[in-house]
Amino acid sequence: GENVEQHPSTLSVQEGDSAVIKCTYSDSASNYFPWYKQELGKRPQLIIDIRSNVGEKKDQRIAVTLNKTAKHFSLHITETQPEDSAVYFCAASYSGGGADGLTFGKGTHLIIQP
Amino acid sequence: KAGVTQTPRYLIKTRGQQVTLSCSPISGHRSVSWYQQTPGQGLQFLFEYFSETQRNKGNFPGRFSGRQFSNSRSEMNVSTLELGDSALYLCASSLEGGVSNYEQYFGPGTRLTVT
Repeated sequence: GENVEQHPSTLSVQEGDSAVIKCTYSDSASNYFPWYKQELGKRPQLIIDIRSNVGEKKDQRIAVTLNKTAKHFSLHITETQPEDSAVYFCAASYSGGGADGLTFGKGTHLIIQP
Repeated sequence: KAGVTQTPRYLIKTRGQQVTLSCSPISGHRSVSWYQQTPGQGLQFLFEYFSETQRNKGNFPGRFSGRQFSNSRSEMNVSTLELGDSALYLCASSLEGGVSNYEQYFGPGTRLTVT
């Protein structure tokens, strides 16, 4: 089955700086890669996703890049703000004809230092 | 549109008992997936239902089961509870779960504590 590795487990950055979280996956058949943000005591919230036919996707301060050959994808957050502090999860799945479950990384605790 | 809802939000059970959790998806969403979240194992896929049929299942013992009703609401059941079943149980709904509709939206979760 699919295996997703996520690094780093904790990331501390100064407010205004950029943050990068990296994930690798094992199953070359995976074609969907979402990122979720989970604040303490709250539900995971989908913040951005990318499909395997796209190399990069951007939404305001958030961007995701995908390298299918190397089987890795990354989340980039620019101009970080205090409200970006949370745990971020990457995930991968293949949905050729049905909803395979998402395989998640272990999460990155992002801390924005004022 | 109202988001995904789950009931109850908190539950305390004793080892050996069974429990049923409920999930109501976003209106119009037909696929419901269930996940277990623990500090040690993270987020793990349990199973997915679409049109009242289980389409996919994760690596969990048979004590974990589920079902989906004709209105897309889903329930999951855990029998013979063990201490290790203490976790946050999340459900997620998506429009169809097929090739074009991957996005999964999570409910607030049910916090299950087994004593």
